[in-house]
Amino acid sequence: GIQVEQSPPDLILQEGANSTLRCNFSDSVNNLQWFHQNPWGQLINLFYIPSGTKQNGRLSATTVATERYSLLYISSSQTTDSGVYFCAVVGSGNTPLVFGKGTRLSVIA
Amino acid sequence: EAEVAQSPRYKITEKSQAVAFWCDPISGHATLYWYRQILGQGPELLVQFQDESVVDDSQLPKDRFSAERLKGVDSTLKIQPAELGDSAMYLCASSPGTSGNNAPYNEQFFGPGTRLTVL
Repeated sequence: GIQVEQSPPDLILQEGANSTLRCNFSDSVNNLQWFHQNPWGQLINLFYIPSGTKQNGRLSATTVATERYSLLYISSSQTTDSGVYFCAVVGSGNTPLVFGKGTRLSVIA
Repeated sequence: EAEVAQSPRYKITEKSQAVAFWCDPISGHATLYWYRQILGQGPELLVQFQDESVVDDSQLPKDRFSAERLKGVDSTLKIQPAELGDSAMYLCASSPGTSGNNAPYNEQFFGPGTRLTVL
């Protein structure tokens, strides 16, 4: 099946810094989603982005489907951005999401 | 804003006992998923429903796990008997499942999860 790799696995930032999280996937996809898992375990939808670029406030994401990667940008990070960021993909149709192992982000004041 | 509801939020049980989790998807969503997330890993699918029918239960340990979505709306996941290795977060998600309303048919939305501890 499709494989998803995220990097880096861990990231520590000073408040106000910018960061880039990467997601590589092994096959073509028709769905790619970025999630933020908060300390209580809930997965918060950040972006639905099988291709192209989107922005939402301090967050933006780009997926280059032909090269099989996606990037999540966090600018001017805040302590509330801490948590685990997951990339998840669907290879075809309405099949389940396949998740990467996540990037654990810690933003310190 | 429409949300996926799950209950209970936390469950502590002893091994060999039975446990059940409930999920109510976003109204109108035809596709419902149950995922299990072990600490430090990403969620993995247990079972997928399209309306009331099971689409994929290949990763569901059928000797002890069962899932149903009788009327194609809310769903129940049961474990009997629970084992120590079942301790995990159980997440429910839903997606529209069909095109329409300018929403991606396969964009998934997750509930708050049920954190299960088996002693």
